[in-house]
Order: sequence, then C-alpha cells, then structure tokens
Amino acid sequence: SQQGEEDPQALSIQEGENATMNCSYKTSINNLQWYRQNSGRGLVHLILIRSNEREKHSGRLRVTLDTSKKSSSLLITASRAADTASYFCATDDAGNMLTFGGGTRLMVKP
Amino acid sequence: DAGVIQSPRHEVTEMGQEVTLRCKPISGHNSLFWYRQTMMRGLELLIYFNNNVPIDDSGMPEDRFSAKMPNASFSTLKIQPSEPRDSAVYFCASSIQAGGPHEQYFGPGTRLTVT
Repeated sequence: SQQGEEDPQALSIQEGENATMNCSYKTSINNLQWYRQNSGRGLVHLILIRSNEREKHSGRLRVTLDTSKKSSSLLITASRAADTASYFCATDDAGNMLTFGGGTRLMVKP
Repeated sequence: DAGVIQSPRHEVTEMGQEVTLRCKPISGHNSLFWYRQTMMRGLELLIYFNNNVPIDDSGMPEDRFSAKMPNASFSTLKIQPSEPRDSAVYFCASSIQAGGPHEQYFGPGTRLTVT
C-alpha cells in the first residue's frame, strides 16, 4: 500500500500560474521528499524536508510540512512549460526505504 | 558523474523466457533499490541492498523474481519465467546511507514488455 497520496491526480494550468500539489501520509516520518518524473525518464529528487521543519524553499519551489495533519504541499511558482511532469512525494520513516505516492500529473500550457 | 546506469533500456520478450535487468549504481553509493512502475500500481519497491547485502525483499512479487548484488558496482534483477503481467518499467536507484536523510538517484529505467 502507498504511504503518500497526492492530490490532485492531475492538474492543468497556464504558464505563469502557480501549481500546488498536496500529499497525505499515514505513519510517522523522518523526512518527506518530492521527486519529479518527466515522461519516459527516471525520477529526479527536488527537495527534502525533515520532520522538524515546517517550510523549505528551493528556487521556485516551496514545500510545507504539517506533521500534525500528516500532510505536505509542493508549490511551484511562475510555472513554465518545462515544469510539465509527474510529481511524487516520498516518505522516509528512517528505515532507509522511501515509500512513494501515486503522483500528480502536471501539465503547464504555454 | 555518469549517474545510475541501467541496461537494457527496452526489452521485449515472450512469456516464459528469462529476463535479466542490469544496474550500475553511482560510484560511492552504498545502497541500491529496485522499483517497478505501472499505471495500475504506481511505483513499488521490490528490493533494496545495503553494502551489497539484501535488506528487504518483501516487495518481490513472487519466486520468479530474484535479485543479486555481487559487488558494489553491479546488480541484477532476474525474472524467470516471465509473464505478461510483469510488463512494466523497472527502475534502479542508488543512495548514500550515512545515518542521515538521503535522497535517491534513479536510473533511466528498463521498459519491459512480455508478450
């Protein structure tokens, strides 16, 4: 079973708009990570947020983590067509394994 | 850095045949993971190795699947005999396990089609 569940499953926006994806999980975690997957490619790590952090930024990416609600969000600001991809959250329970959610398919229209 | 290398990139085989997927992790990484991705089931962890030792193979679907890591720079995932339901993209990933949070680096995947 999947630990993380992304919402929405699919998102279509115009270039320049912001994209927000949410992830919910079920058990305690050590950290939560977000990955991007372009069509036909492997996953690429975007950002990691530890369980004692609430917010983290990296370029146009902003991640929040609410451990009380067992949820995280990924915000991509000023989206570009090149941001079109699937985005996955992955939880690390400190057991050295990551458990991935089902992903959000983001389409950014030029 | 060449990244994680997987071969072949595409494999088409007939049901009942043996399939071997190969992976070369990033040099210096001590953990290696095999995943399977399908539309229906998403990304599933099959097995992971730490320092060449299998740690958790609970995700391996059945005895037809086996994985080895004879040394730090090479791993194989074998399916014998293959079945059409094994059709999927198989990813290998590696990471450095050093006691702290770690990110995984994924290979490009092997797209397996079993007819």
